[in-house]
Amino acid sequence: EAEVAQSPRYKITEKSQAVAFWCDPISGHATLYWYRQILGQGPELLVQFQDESVVDDSQLPKDRFSAERLKGVDSTLKIQPAELGDSAMYLCASSLDRGFTEAFFGQGTRLTVV
Amino acid sequence: QKEVEQDPGPLSVPEGAIVSLNCTYSNSAFQYFMWYRQYSRKGPELLMYTYSSGNKEDGRFTAQVDKSSKYISLFIRDSQPSDSATYLCAMSAGLRSGGSNYKLTFGKGTLLTVNP
Repeated sequence: EAEVAQSPRYKITEKSQAVAFWCDPISGHATLYWYRQILGQGPELLVQFQDESVVDDSQLPKDRFSAERLKGVDSTLKIQPAELGDSAMYLCASSLDRGFTEAFFGQGTRLTVV
Repeated sequence: QKEVEQDPGPLSVPEGAIVSLNCTYSNSAFQYFMWYRQYSRKGPELLMYTYSSGNKEDGRFTAQVDKSSKYISLFIRDSQPSDSATYLCAMSAGLRSGGSNYKLTFGKGTLLTVNP
């Protein structure tokens, strides 16, 4: 069964260090999302791509976060420098097309900043 | 006021009970209404989605939308221990930037435990 792949599953980093997460969406899915989920909260959208273009990054802290999806397939989310408050689950999701279709989530990357 | 409000619980029920989970929202632009289930340390998975007001049933699950009251519900009949998870409501509206892209906004999630 096709699934969204994310790596690493867990990451511990020291504050002020750089950290990167990778996501490979389901093949053929044009829309890719990065969400952040703090423990006990719902996922919050960080950035949404349609193919290789960003269509929403209004909640992305652009001073330290960056995201790219160069060939419209896999994507990388980077944090530099990491802060203690960045500790959370980072979820990637993909959906088939730009209109509403089901969003499939990966297992997430749990980040701990110490 | 957050766009989507959901009581985080926790909610603990005995096996076989009927469970009612609810969310309210303030954004009239929301068009699609979804319920996701999230097991511990896993990503959310879609349970059901609806577009219009009314009820939609799928096995033991019933989703209900009342657009006039801006209120959605998920009912679980004959609850099982395997239903123990966090249930997230989510709502979708077109992006302000236009086009046909949709943005998904989640509630906080309700932690449900079904005791055998």
